[in-house]
Amino acid sequence: KAGVTQTPRYLIKTRGQQVTLSCSPISGHRSVSWYQQTPGQGLQFLFEYFSETQRNKGNFPGRFSGRQFSNSRSEMNVSTLELGDSALYLCASSLGPRGGIDTQYFGPGTRLTVL
Amino acid sequence: AQSVTQLGSHVSVSEGALVLLRCNYSSSVPPYLFWYVQYPNQGLQLLLKYTSAATLVKGINGFEAEFKKSETSFHLTKPSAHMSDAAEYFCAVSPNAGNNRKLIWGLGTSLAVNP
Repeated sequence: KAGVTQTPRYLIKTRGQQVTLSCSPISGHRSVSWYQQTPGQGLQFLFEYFSETQRNKGNFPGRFSGRQFSNSRSEMNVSTLELGDSALYLCASSLGPRGGIDTQYFGPGTRLTVL
Repeated sequence: AQSVTQLGSHVSVSEGALVLLRCNYSSSVPPYLFWYVQYPNQGLQLLLKYTSAATLVKGINGFEAEFKKSETSFHLTKPSAHMSDAAEYFCAVSPNAGNNRKLIWGLGTSLAVNP
């Protein structure tokens, strides 16, 4: 079974631009979570989707948004990019709607650099 | 509010020596606890998780962790380190009930294994 895939793997953007990251979960998984990973802050939860509904949201500004499609694929969008948005963005999928309880399977991440 | 503290951002051991990575948590409700490993340029992989069954949890690659409620700890151990164990290790906590069951992460411990 294929793992979680994220595209693109690397992105370079400039301040003020917007970016869309994509995540394809493991086949059969209906829950997708997004995390931001930085050296200083570690892993921070962005949001979780299950069956196209956002079930949980972290403490990020409204510039960060996401959505999930009927095939469970998910996208996250960051508008008006800031230098501090440079990070590794990780997507994780799990079978059910139990949030952090279910085992999460992570993709390799998208490395976003904002110049 | 839940939190996770990983003592020691960097740990160095010799090949064949005991690995001990420390994790302490705070939670107002009985938690689920997790250890994940991240190899360079990869996503995170679940090592093991505690879900209120046996307090000694065995995971992959010879790792195990013991849940100690009185000490609010969930330290990760491996009797004999291998070079391939060099990676970043993350401890995480989630409540096992309620609606807000997102994972809260520690900042990680980087494990170096010396020949």
